[in-house]
Amino acid sequence: DGGITQSPKYLFRKEGQNVTLSCEQNLNHDAMYWYRQDPGQGLRLIYYSQIVNDFQKGDIAEGYSVSREKKESFPLTVTSAQKNPTAFYLCATGQGAGAEKLFFGSGTQLSVL
Amino acid sequence: AQSVTQPDIHITVSEGASLELRCNYSYGATPYLFWYVQSPGQGLQLLLKYFSGDTLVQGIKGFEAEFKRSQSSFNLRKPSVHWSDAAEYFCAVGALRGTGGGNKLTFGTGTQLKVEL
Repeated sequence: DGGITQSPKYLFRKEGQNVTLSCEQNLNHDAMYWYRQDPGQGLRLIYYSQIVNDFQKGDIAEGYSVSREKKESFPLTVTSAQKNPTAFYLCATGQGAGAEKLFFGSGTQLSVL
Repeated sequence: AQSVTQPDIHITVSEGASLELRCNYSYGATPYLFWYVQSPGQGLQLLLKYFSGDTLVQGIKGFEAEFKRSQSSFNLRKPSVHWSDAAEYFCAVGALRGTGGGNKLTFGTGTQLKVEL
């Protein structure tokens, strides 16, 4: 079954802890993205990657890190430097060099304990 | 920098009534425009997109949108709303292929649609 798998669905972070959100895709898309969604603020781009072993900062990259070692995977680490990590995180994929449509995963809700 | 404004945070309509969700964008070149829908706790699903050509575009679930360059608008419409249309709707603008903007979509803040039975 083709698609984007985000895990876990819910994640809790303790103070000072790093946590990693998983995003896996089998759509064979080159580009992958991480968005953060807060109520009333829409979606904001954290990081994106247009090809393996390369990624770019988005609008709100501070306190986050990513890697793109495989085409299928684009994990996002929320570090302890991110002081307000509670949000809904969405992973997306896209194909093409321009603004083609994005395919979204079902999201991960991250909360702070 | 590109930006999107969705002036209505919440809209309530009766089932069977018509719907129009507003979207205004700011972009220096020809934009790619999108409407996405999100059900609670889920990802976003593409309703329709405009790249070029006919300014009235048809999407899934009976939705349509009209691109009006003079007004910098891309409003979403549906002639008769169903209860299952209750969700949050996002307008987005993206860079034209080849301008170096990559696939970076800029989203509006969303409009929450409530449907009264």
